[in-house]
Amino acid sequence: KNQVEQSPQSLIILEGKNCTLQCNYTVSPFSNLRWYKQDTGRGPVSLTIMTFSENTKSNGRYTATLDADTKQSSLHITASQLSDSASYICVVITYGGATNKLIFGTGTLLAVQP
Amino acid sequence: DGGITQSPKYLFRKEGQNVTLSCEQNLNHDAMYWYRQDPGQGLRLIYYSQIVNDFQKGDIAEGYSVSREKKESFPLTVTSAQKNPTAFYLCASSIVSGKHGYTFGSGTRLTVV
Repeated sequence: KNQVEQSPQSLIILEGKNCTLQCNYTVSPFSNLRWYKQDTGRGPVSLTIMTFSENTKSNGRYTATLDADTKQSSLHITASQLSDSASYICVVITYGGATNKLIFGTGTLLAVQP
Repeated sequence: DGGITQSPKYLFRKEGQNVTLSCEQNLNHDAMYWYRQDPGQGLRLIYYSQIVNDFQKGDIAEGYSVSREKKESFPLTVTSAQKNPTAFYLCASSIVSGKHGYTFGSGTRLTVV
């Protein structure tokens, strides 16, 4: 069964600190992996897209890693800001016949406190 | 600016009523999707459409219906047959392959009263 599991479920950090969110997946065949940021009551916004051959990709203070062998990804947030408070969702794309299929994790809820 | 617009942001439905959620995009994307988000669960696919006048059921299509009469529009109707419709509904669009990513709307929160 295709699954995406994220940890921790929630996280509280102080402003200015770094943190790392984890994503483990059992999805086959694998097309690519994406991290999204979702503010409360809003739609998800893409942070990074990683294909099988990419190990690391950065977007400002966000750095995603991918280990295709162990089927693990992480999202590292550097020098956190209050605006980073949101849910972070890991999504793995697989091939679903006529179209790609998105397998969503349940998200990590991050709270950055002053 | 190009984007995807969902309306209304909040919607209240009485038991036994049908309601329609709007989704419009001006990104010239061929594919559009409807997802349902519940607390503690990942997004689940309700319906998707890759081309005008064609759509396919997703994983949880029961109690929902859609239409795709225009490329820009993909409305979702939540029918009275949907027994637990209270949720956050997200519309998304992409080029057919999804290679360049998926753009999500800002969502509609539906509550049954």
